[in-house]
Amino acid sequence: QQPVQSPQAVILREGEDAVINCSSSKALYSVHWYRQKHGEAPIFLMILLKGGEQKGHDKISASFNEKKQQSSLYLTASQLSYSGTYFCGTELSGGYNKLIFGAGTRLAVHP
Amino acid sequence: NAGVTQTPKFQVLKTGQSMTLQCAQDMNHEYMSWYRQDPGMGLRLIHYSVGAGITDQGEVPNGYNVSRSTTEDFPLRLLSAAPSQTSVYFCVSREQGWDTEAFFGQGTRLTVV
Repeated sequence: QQPVQSPQAVILREGEDAVINCSSSKALYSVHWYRQKHGEAPIFLMILLKGGEQKGHDKISASFNEKKQQSSLYLTASQLSYSGTYFCGTELSGGYNKLIFGAGTRLAVHP
Repeated sequence: NAGVTQTPKFQVLKTGQSMTLQCAQDMNHEYMSWYRQDPGMGLRLIHYSVGAGITDQGEVPNGYNVSRSTTEDFPLRLLSAAPSQTSVYFCVSREQGWDTEAFFGQGTRLTVV
């Protein structure tokens, strides 16, 4: 039931782009994205809903392919502050607001 | 507005001891959950609640109990601590609805020796 994230880790230079993927074997209603800095709690980035609605930060871009039950988070022109671990969380269609997270993707951005 | 408050921040227990991790939120959120975070495993759902008096099991509920007597509070009880329960625990609250963001507490780092 846990969504699968890929890649497990990414290393970037400042200004480079990255894509983080999240996939599920079950029908999804929503996909959440969160970022966690070392030693801190995760913070909200974005929610993508079945049907195309999105809520989140203007500078973050993501997509949700309902047919494939996949979501991708696009990090463009990366900054040092983008470093951290990114988690996707999924809610199943028919699930009762039960948010299940993936194992995370570690992103390191270097100067 | 404090958000989600967890206590304690750090705790060391001996195997077999019991304890309660406290979680309180002041946002009047219906949904509250407990997760544990272990290296390489991500955030795993222990128990969750969709309102006062209603709780259900998540992915890894064994060894933990919860109750929800008020909207504000959602304590997590470890019945008999084991080294495998060494982890960072996060309490999360959300408004009712599919498109609501999760607010995390600052976490409790628990070590069982």
